[in-house]
Amino acid sequence: EVQLVESGGGLVQPGRSMKLSCAASGFTFNNYDMAWVCQAPKKGLEWVATISYDGSSTYYRDSVKGRFTISRDNAKSTLYLQMDSLRSEDTATYYCARRGSSFDYWGQGVMVTVSS
Amino acid sequence: DIQMTQSPSFLSASLGNSITITCHASQNIKGWLAWYQQKSGNAPELLIYKASSLQSGVPSRFSGSGSGTDYILTISNLQPEDIATYYCQHYQSFPLTFGSGTKLEIK
Repeated sequence: EVQLVESGGGLVQPGRSMKLSCAASGFTFNNYDMAWVCQAPKKGLEWVATISYDGSSTYYRDSVKGRFTISRDNAKSTLYLQMDSLRSEDTATYYCARRGSSFDYWGQGVMVTVSS
Repeated sequence: DIQMTQSPSFLSASLGNSITITCHASQNIKGWLAWYQQKSGNAPELLIYKASSLQSGVPSRFSGSGSGTDYILTISNLQPEDIATYYCQHYQSFPLTFGSGTKLEIK
């Protein structure tokens, strides 16, 4: 059974950093591109970033370029999202998703609240 | 960037009826379109990919169609468990973008 389990969320002050993790199981992690998608409270879905199966290529939405870094450790079957210089508008539930483009499995999501 | 215009924003329909949700892309996305269902408090689930391919395990009451810039999600024989918000998403190129969502209510 495919499982994606996010962790690392919580309350953080504006301008600070936070790192999210997504532990994958039930499939061959290094065969798949992976992605992060977020959803602000009561709002719609927004794609954040995608990383290729081997980590060689990464893609970001404009609003996070230069602040967020997607990475992966294939030996640990884990996806990461390093979020720096956080802003109040980054407040959202962050989902990791399998496949980099159309997302066939999603984690349960982790909430990130950016507030002083 | 490709913009996805989804309509309607809200839909109310009766059990057993059929509904359609439309999604218009600002440029030709060549069928690279997915539809998702998100029930309250849950993560989204993939329903349809490549415009019309049904994801494994999804009931055949769900179907997708379209090409170029215009796409449709159809749900036939509405069931109580279909109460959810539905999103379209293109994946023709980066950045990937979602439609604004359609909230479905059962009358």
